[in-house]
Amino acid sequence: AQSVSQHNHHVILSEAASLELGCNYSYGGTVNLFWYVQYPGQHLQLLLKYFSGDPLVKGIKGFEAEFIKSKFSFNLRKPSVQWSDTAEYFCAVNVRSGNTGKLIFGQGTTLQVKP
Amino acid sequence: SAVISQKPSRDICQRGTSLTIQCQVDSQVTMMFWYRQQPGQSLTLIATANQGSEATYESGFVIDKFPISRPNLTFSTLTVSNMSPEDSSIYLCSGAQGWDTEAFFGQGTRLTVV
Repeated sequence: AQSVSQHNHHVILSEAASLELGCNYSYGGTVNLFWYVQYPGQHLQLLLKYFSGDPLVKGIKGFEAEFIKSKFSFNLRKPSVQWSDTAEYFCAVNVRSGNTGKLIFGQGTTLQVKP
Repeated sequence: SAVISQKPSRDICQRGTSLTIQCQVDSQVTMMFWYRQQPGQSLTLIATANQGSEATYESGFVIDKFPISRPNLTFSTLTVSNMSPEDSSIYLCSGAQGWDTEAFFGQGTRLTVV
């Protein structure tokens, strides 16, 4: 069965520290990859996505992610985090099935940034 | 991107009763999904809502417990039937234009069963 695994469940950083959140998926077919963010009390928002092309993708708020096909990974990075980045981060993989697909989420990573 | 509205935003229900959650998208979408997010956990896909036909359920979810309707390309409902406290969760509606596009989400329905 397809699955998405996020390595870090809870990360605590100080402001200006660098961030890297790991994400691996298990599926050998065609996939699209996403990172979503959920700020406290808000709905899920798209942070960035990868469909094809340059494996290094840039998203909103200074986030970026790199797709490494050989490692089935899609890690999220940010060079310098801010207190406002405190949120829940979800890696997701859209697994194709015919002309449709379904979005499978990782367990989520809670990021806490200390001012 | 489209905007998804869910109703109700929250509810407290008695065990043994049923609750129907509505999901309205402000534009037509090809695909609609229902997820469950239990406290402190990730999103679990319940089913894909298919327009004009029966929903496609994921393993562990059945139609009798979670009947879904999708009469058109902008609207879907999820019913949580014969509720128990274990059904307490956030239920999220999601839509996408296609496999190769991003999905967007409603704000969720926070359900508490007492």
